[in-house]
Amino acid sequence: EDQVTQSPEALRLQEGESSSLNCSYTVSGLRGLFWYRQDPGKGPEFLFTLYSAGEEKEKERLKATLTKKESFLHITAPKPEDSATYLCAVQSGGGADGLTFGKGTHLIIQP
Amino acid sequence: NAGVTQTPKFQVLKTGQSMTLQCAQDMNHNSMYWYRQDPGMGLRLIYYSASEGTTDKGEVPNGYNVSRLNKREFSLRLESAAPSQTSVYFCAIDPGQGYEQYFGPGTRLTVT
Repeated sequence: EDQVTQSPEALRLQEGESSSLNCSYTVSGLRGLFWYRQDPGKGPEFLFTLYSAGEEKEKERLKATLTKKESFLHITAPKPEDSATYLCAVQSGGGADGLTFGKGTHLIIQP
Repeated sequence: NAGVTQTPKFQVLKTGQSMTLQCAQDMNHNSMYWYRQDPGMGLRLIYYSASEGTTDKGEVPNGYNVSRLNKREFSLRLESAAPSQTSVYFCAIDPGQGYEQYFGPGTRLTVT
């Protein structure tokens, strides 16, 4: 059974204060690891897909990295508009075709 | 929301009532999914459809039925709603490019 654990559950940062969110996973054959952003009352918004250990993806102030056991979402010099819940998900080669999600990290950036 | 529309946006039901949640895509993607999201829990897969006319159970299918009558639409039906089905329901599509899925805006359902 695929499992995804995200930490911390919540994180409050000052504007400009860089940090990282963690996603630990166990899967039977990783097809992909995904990061999403979710704003209150909205559906998850796709950010990145990572396929293999060592891979990195960047978008504006966000950078996602992947090892064989975990992924990090690094946020550099965040702004208040980066406040959201960040979700990590995996898809494995076996079982149902859907994604297995973690519970998310609720990020607040204070001006 | 990546061309995924969901109706209704909000719904309140009484225990035992039935309803159908609708999802439609404006592209011809094969794979469509239904998830539910509850406080303190990650999104969980209810049902999915890999192509028109086919459906498969996900992690939490009990109490739900689905229908994929054509490529654009994938509906989720609650035959006899229960308070445990109070949740936010999301439909998603997979364009078939890199396994990522794109989500609709959600339906917020309350069962009293």
